[in-house]
Amino acid sequence: SQQGEEDPQALSIQEGENATMNCSYKTSINNLQWYRQNSGRGLVHLILIRSNEREKHSGRLRVTLDTSKKSSSLLITASRAADTASYFCATSYNTDKLIFGTGTRLQVFP
Amino acid sequence: GAVVSQHPSRVICKSGTSVKIECRSLDFQATTMFWYRQFPKKSLMLMATSNEGSKATYEQGVEKDKFLINHASLTLSTLTVTSAHPEDSSFYICSAQPGLGPDTQYFGPGTRLTVL
Repeated sequence: SQQGEEDPQALSIQEGENATMNCSYKTSINNLQWYRQNSGRGLVHLILIRSNEREKHSGRLRVTLDTSKKSSSLLITASRAADTASYFCATSYNTDKLIFGTGTRLQVFP
Repeated sequence: GAVVSQHPSRVICKSGTSVKIECRSLDFQATTMFWYRQFPKKSLMLMATSNEGSKATYEQGVEKDKFLINHASLTLSTLTVTSAHPEDSSFYICSAQPGLGPDTQYFGPGTRLTVL
């Protein structure tokens, strides 16, 4: 399977703490994207990082990419209860198709 | 922002019947749409790529006669689950690409299919 893997599978933290989730992928990529999915809902695009970039920020989100290790991390700082969701990484390479990781379920307790 | 809708949001049907799910791009034209399947607490698995005016491209292991895809216009793609069985019960999500490049896909809210 081409599917990437994410860890941890599940993460529980208190509001105000930082949450870090990791994504590893198997093939070369043009870019890597992170998505959020609330329970039973569609996906919301969070951030895209290109293969020639190493770090990107968007508000409370920080994404890093290490192409030599074929891995990426998503850091959510000062988490809120509303951040409770599943987070997926997705990669693409020379194609329109997205290959999704296995996902991390984040629970933020008030 | 770009909005993609799906209809219905939930459907319950009897085994052996066929179910049609619509995916619409509301404020942009989508030359390409994608259909994904998601099992509970699992990731999204790409089922097929739907191109307007041509046959869909199915991923390995996806039965094209079972999951019929029609992309009749630049704003509408449909997925028909034929002769549905309980194992087809799943969450089906579509995404639409506005043709700005491979980086941009907008996702619909999903359709929960339950086959009794």
